[in-house]
Amino acid sequence: GAGVSQSPRYKVAKRGQDVALRCDPISGHVSLFWYQQALGQGPEFLTYFQNEAQLDKSGLPSDRFFAERPEGSVSTLKIQRTQQEDSAVYLCASSLLPGTGNEQFFGPGTRLTVL
Amino acid sequence: GENVEQHPSTLSVQEGDSAVIKCTYSDSASNYFPWYKQELGKRPQLIIDIRSNVGEKKDQRIAVTLNKTAKHFSLHITETQPEDSAVYFCAASNLLTGGGNKLTFGTGTQLKVEL
Repeated sequence: GAGVSQSPRYKVAKRGQDVALRCDPISGHVSLFWYQQALGQGPEFLTYFQNEAQLDKSGLPSDRFFAERPEGSVSTLKIQRTQQEDSAVYLCASSLLPGTGNEQFFGPGTRLTVL
Repeated sequence: GENVEQHPSTLSVQEGDSAVIKCTYSDSASNYFPWYKQELGKRPQLIIDIRSNVGEKKDQRIAVTLNKTAKHFSLHITETQPEDSAVYFCAASNLLTGGGNKLTFGTGTQLKVEL
């Protein structure tokens, strides 16, 4: 079975552009997380989905960030009017069940560079 | 919210020696502590985890210890090999929040195993 996949792997955007990052979790995984990893830092939580419900978006840094998972599988993280400080690797992770300590499997990430 | 501190930020050992990485956490409600290994340009991968009802866990050359009273946990790697060279992240989570087990990561330790 395939692991978590993300696309695109690399994205270069001019400041002010909108971007959309896609995550394909492992099939059947209920929980889906987005993290932001700045260079040389640990991943930081952005938002969490349980199936299609976005239960926690406390980590989204501004209202320019929006995430969705409309059918409870694929998720999209959208960043509007990108700024240079948005440059980072965006990691998606999925786990089978919520709240049970099941391993979070990470995707390869999307490296976003905002010029 | 939870805050996780990790030390050292870099660690260089000779092949065959042991390596120890230490983390502290702030939220006494945290009860799940995974460790991830991230090679350059790759996704984080879980190497071992521990729950708060256990004081120590071993898996071959890797062990993790947890001191709930002091709120710190450590990763121990014995008989280090060059392929152990990577960035290691500790993390903490509360499995009982009902909103998923989002991870709070430390800042990472760059481990270099020298021949």
